[in-house]
Amino acid sequence: DGGITQSPKYLFRKEGQNVTLSCEQNLNHDAMYWYRQDPGQGLRLIYYSQIVNDFQKGDIAEGYSVSREKKESFPLTVTSAQKNPTAFYLCASSTGPFPPFHNEQFFGPGTRLTVL
Amino acid sequence: SQQGEEDPQALSIQEGENATMNCSYKTSINNLQWYRQNSGRGLVHLILIRSNEREKHSGRLRVTLDTSKKSSSLLITASRAADTASYFCATDAGNQGGKLIFGQGTELSVKP
Repeated sequence: DGGITQSPKYLFRKEGQNVTLSCEQNLNHDAMYWYRQDPGQGLRLIYYSQIVNDFQKGDIAEGYSVSREKKESFPLTVTSAQKNPTAFYLCASSTGPFPPFHNEQFFGPGTRLTVL
Repeated sequence: SQQGEEDPQALSIQEGENATMNCSYKTSINNLQWYRQNSGRGLVHLILIRSNEREKHSGRLRVTLDTSKKSSSLLITASRAADTASYFCATDAGNQGGKLIFGQGTELSVKP
């Protein structure tokens, strides 16, 4: 099956700890994205990557870090500098942002992070 | 920054009725997309409408786009209980490296 997976589904973190959320896709997509969703809210972009070994900050990058060493993988680290990390984190991928592609995004099932 | 604003925030209807959700945005766009999210799940792409299109259909879905008013609407006809979900619009400005800007969403409840 082709798709995008995220793990773990639920994650608990103690204050002061860094945690890493996994995102893997086998769709052969160039672009990958990380979003944060708070209850009753829309999605806010944390980081995105258009190609391997390159990534850009989104609207709320502070306290987060990413890497893109492989096309299939785009892990997100939530650092202790993120003051309010409890949220639902969604990873997405798309074929790419350049014409003729229209940037339809495919989403993973999400990781719910709770800070204890 | 949230470009899209959706209206209403919540909508409750009976099965068989039509549901209409609206989305307004602020800047020029390359395309506008609608997504659906079931509670606690990831988003699923429903339909994409390009800036030079005015209306698009997909099954029971009808999307309109008015670029002069910077607004779009999603109509779900003959709704079913299984349509219960949150619906989000997302805009692609076309010059921001593939970034989508999502609205706050409309929470639709379809009662059997």
